[in-house]
Amino acid sequence: TQLLEQSPQFLSIQEGENLTVYCNSSSVFSSLQWYRQEPGEGPVLLVTVVTGGEVKKLKRLTFQFGDARKDSSLHITAAQPGDTGLYLCADRVGATNKLIFGTGTLLAVQP
Amino acid sequence: GAGVSQSPSNKVTEKGKDVELRCDPISGHTALYWYRQSLGQGLEFLIYFQGNSAPDKSGLPSDRFSAERTGGSVSTLTIQRTQQEDSAVYLCASSQGGGGTEAFFGQGTRLTVV
Repeated sequence: TQLLEQSPQFLSIQEGENLTVYCNSSSVFSSLQWYRQEPGEGPVLLVTVVTGGEVKKLKRLTFQFGDARKDSSLHITAAQPGDTGLYLCADRVGATNKLIFGTGTLLAVQP
Repeated sequence: GAGVSQSPSNKVTEKGKDVELRCDPISGHTALYWYRQSLGQGLEFLIYFQGNSAPDKSGLPSDRFSAERTGGSVSTLTIQRTQQEDSAVYLCASSQGGGGTEAFFGQGTRLTVV
């Protein structure tokens, strides 16, 4: 059974700081997705990465996919309070291609 | 509808009672998921419906949990003889299919068992 471990579990930073969160898999990713979940809401897709070594940028967010497709990182530049939320990585696994999620990183950006 | 709709948004029930949680997916989406989430934690996979295929029930934690999807649209998650450890937010998501397609989530049902 594939496990998706995320680190750190919690992160509290000041507005304007940079940060990186990580997602590691026990197996090769099929197609890695990153979601963000704000309090009281369901997760919302940020990006999908498929190719090893791929880098995608979304404004101040940079997503990297490891060459071996077993790890990924999300870097946020100049964090803002609006970045606060739970960041989740996800992958499709098994014969049924079900979508499973990582353990999550809870980010709090203080103004 | 415009998005995934879940009802009720909040449910308080007594230990031992049965509860039903409802999910209305986005029209035309063939895939539907149920997840459970404890406070500040990741999403625990429960069950996955894809088109007319047999559902993947591998995440259901016990035989007290069951789900059905009628007519390929609305889904109901039923928890029988609820226990305090069942207290969590139950999230439903739908997508157009498998592969790398985006999953769209409802706002969840917060279940509290007292």
